[in-house]
Amino acid sequence: DAMVIQNPRYQVTQFGKPVTLSCSQTLNHNVMYWYQQKSSQAPKLLFHYYDKDFNNEADTPDNFQSRRPNTSFCFLDIRSPGLGDAAMYLCATSKTETQYFGPGTRLLVL
Amino acid sequence: DQQVKQNSPSLSVQEGRISILNCDYTNSMFDYFLWYKKYPAEGPTFLISISSIKDKNEDGRFTVFLNKSAKHLSLHIVPSQPGDSAVYFCAASVYQGGSEKLVFGKGTKLTVNP
Repeated sequence: DAMVIQNPRYQVTQFGKPVTLSCSQTLNHNVMYWYQQKSSQAPKLLFHYYDKDFNNEADTPDNFQSRRPNTSFCFLDIRSPGLGDAAMYLCATSKTETQYFGPGTRLLVL
Repeated sequence: DQQVKQNSPSLSVQEGRISILNCDYTNSMFDYFLWYKKYPAEGPTFLISISSIKDKNEDGRFTVFLNKSAKHLSLHIVPSQPGDSAVYFCAASVYQGGSEKLVFGKGTKLTVNP
């Protein structure tokens, strides 16, 4: 089945220790997105790639970076995680207006 | 400044009855509206969408209604089933930066009681 895969499902990191979350897709969609979702809140778009073109949201902190080495893979790098960065991180892909989400990675910062 | 609002954090209905989930928006530039369903510890799953030029879209037990003049949309589930219990997110799509971007509401937790 075509899908969006996120690894790991749960990630524990230490305050200030860089962490990378990964996303892969078999849908061959040209757009990939990263969202942050905190408890009882709406998913918040951090950035997206249209093919190799990177689009950062204006209020995304510099602490968050992303890489897309090819169509299938996209990475979210958090350079110095703070306690406030603990959240669910969702990856999504799209070809049209409908976005398809992965299962998410729950990040815990100790 | 919330562009997409779901004013009911939760809704409880009896199995077999209708569930109506509501959503309001402020931006007239949204061109599509989507509903997603989310179970705990899973990502949102696409349910149904509607173009801004339509006023109704139906898919099995799920119907979405759009009232552009009121900037309001609703999702009707009939009949409701216990397996429908989940958080439902309303999302609105706008073309920006070369691709469609989604703005989400905070979600409504639906509980369907047997």
